[in-house]
Amino acid sequence: GENVEQHPSTLSVQEGDSAVIKCTYSDSASNYFPWYKQELGKRPQLIIDIRSNVGEKKDQRIAVTLNKTAKHFSLHITETQPEDSAVYFCAASNNNNDMRFGAGTRLTVKP
Amino acid sequence: NAGVTQTPKFRVLKTGQSMTLLCAQDMNHEYMYWYRQDPGMGLRLIHYSVGEGTTAKGEVPDGYNVSRLKKQNFLLGLESAAPSQTSVYFCASTQNRAHTEAFFGQGTRLTVV
Repeated sequence: GENVEQHPSTLSVQEGDSAVIKCTYSDSASNYFPWYKQELGKRPQLIIDIRSNVGEKKDQRIAVTLNKTAKHFSLHITETQPEDSAVYFCAASNNNNDMRFGAGTRLTVKP
Repeated sequence: NAGVTQTPKFRVLKTGQSMTLLCAQDMNHEYMYWYRQDPGMGLRLIHYSVGEGTTAKGEVPDGYNVSRLKKQNFLLGLESAAPSQTSVYFCASTQNRAHTEAFFGQGTRLTVV
């Protein structure tokens, strides 16, 4: 089955700096790559996603890039703010109808 | 719309006891999932369902059973709880396939002593 690896496990940045989180996947058939944000004690919520026919997608301060050849995708957050502090999960899914998550990255934005 | 609702929110079980976690969604979603979340291990898929009356195993199904008798409900059962099943459990649903946004419940914190 699909295996998703996520790095780093923790990331600390200064407010206003950029943050980058990287994920790799194993199944070349995977074609949907969402990113979820989980604030402390709350449920994960989708912040951005990308499909395999697109190389990059941007939504205000967040962007995701996908390299299908290398089987990796990344989340980029620019101009970070304290409210960006959370755990971020990448995920990958294919036509087998399940979705596998990475282990998560705890992002801390220091004011 | 309540979205995805899990019952209960917290539970403490003794080893060997059984319990059922209920997940209910009011979005008419076809697909439903059960995950467990453990520190440093992300969200691991236990079981999932692609429609009423169907279930399938995920990556960590041992010790759990599920049922999807009604489209809106997905039940997760622990027949004989073990301390290794102490975790936070999340239910999620997607509209049709796994290629769309997953909506999560608020989670159930289960402790097995």
